[in-house]
Amino acid sequence: GDSVTQMEGPVTLSEEAFLTINCTYTATGYPSLFWYVQYPGEGLQLLLKATKADDKGSNKGFEATYRKETTSFHLEKGSVQVSDSAVYFCALNGNTGNQFYFGTGTSLTVIP
Amino acid sequence: EAQVTQNPRYLITVTGKKLTVTCSQNMNHEYMSWYRQDPGLGLRQIYYSMNVEVTDKGDVPEGYKVSRKEKRNFPLILESPSPNQTSLYFCASSLGRGIDTQYFGPGTRLTVL
Repeated sequence: GDSVTQMEGPVTLSEEAFLTINCTYTATGYPSLFWYVQYPGEGLQLLLKATKADDKGSNKGFEATYRKETTSFHLEKGSVQVSDSAVYFCALNGNTGNQFYFGTGTSLTVIP
Repeated sequence: EAQVTQNPRYLITVTGKKLTVTCSQNMNHEYMSWYRQDPGLGLRQIYYSMNVEVTDKGDVPEGYKVSRKEKRNFPLILESPSPNQTSLYFCASSLGRGIDTQYFGPGTRLTVL
């Protein structure tokens, strides 16, 4: 069945460092892909999404490109800030559009 | 303000005592869903609803029930809770399904003793 595999955490970076969080997926057909972010004590918020191969989602300096050939959707940011400290979830929505599959989440801590 | 609300936010109960967690959205969204979040397992979908009176199982439906009698409400029912249902629960809604953004509630932390 459909699934998402996400880079294990936790990840600790210094402010202004480069961030990559790996995400690969297994799905039939052409799923939509998402990154959600969860700040401490809150629900999840959509960070970015991509709906077809080679699409690039971007928001708040974060980017991810839908790579069908490698079944990946890695999250990147060129220069992280302390305020980016959160848990990041990769997710996919399968062909039917009804079910969502989330990765296990990657905790990011950015230190000044 | 557009939002998804859940009640209660925290609940401690005992095995076998029926409980309901309410979820309500004020955005006229068609799609609603329940997830549980557990350490090391991420979020797993319990049930979802594509519209009033239309619900279906997600990945982990055992031990849960839902209903969708009104568009705005999607309660999660645990008829006989067990300790393995101790978890953080999130309700979410979206305009439609598929590529639409899901809006999440603040979460309900449930402990079953």
